[in-house]
Amino acid sequence: EIVMTQSPATLSVSPGDRATLSCSARQSVGTNLAWYQQKPGQAPRLLIFGASKGATGIPARFSGSGSGTDFTLTISSLQSEDSAVYYCQQYENWPLTFGGGTKVEIK
Amino acid sequence: QLHLQESGPGLAKPSETLSLTCSVSGDSVNSRNHYWTWIRQPPGKGLEWIASVYYTGSTYYSGSLQPRVTMSVESSKNQVSLKLTSVTAADTAVYYCARLGRRIATTGPIGNWFDSWGQGTLVTVSS
Repeated sequence: EIVMTQSPATLSVSPGDRATLSCSARQSVGTNLAWYQQKPGQAPRLLIFGASKGATGIPARFSGSGSGTDFTLTISSLQSEDSAVYYCQQYENWPLTFGGGTKVEIK
Repeated sequence: QLHLQESGPGLAKPSETLSLTCSVSGDSVNSRNHYWTWIRQPPGKGLEWIASVYYTGSTYYSGSLQPRVTMSVESSKNQVSLKLTSVTAADTAVYYCARLGRRIATTGPIGNWFDSWGQGTLVTVSS
């Protein structure tokens, strides 16, 4: 099983500032990595796939980068509606696994 | 537009078998390009992949849950179902149905990202 680790657990960012979230894999997943956003009481929503490709309808302020074992989700200018928990997920191998999540708070 | 709707008992007793159904509209469970998947989330915790099924009946299960879980496709109803036996309080969670893309890797077929999710159904295990 490929273990995914996200950091930090919680990130507090002022509106308009940049938020940088990290995800690391215990072994290489290439670019087979996705990011999801989950707001309270809602299902997760796909943000990024292929490590850096934006899903349909996702604002341009969300971007992904990385390959191999280290990945980053960047929110370039944080908006109040971006307050949520963000999860990474690898699809290099079965079983599909998620990171533990990063909670983004608005300062 | 794809819509996934989970249904379940809401409350289950310890040691019982939990049965969940996901009704799919806007796509066919016989899609050759997708798996159908169950994912769960205990209250206040993260996401856990449970199982995925292909229209042929091929299934992939979480190693930790495999002894207790069965997932199947009901093509005539355009539904997928999940059965989880011998439930305990640790199985209390929101259970999500999701569509998972499929690709052929060098090691064989595998899922991609989850591009559509249902709203989830909360299952509480309690006596």
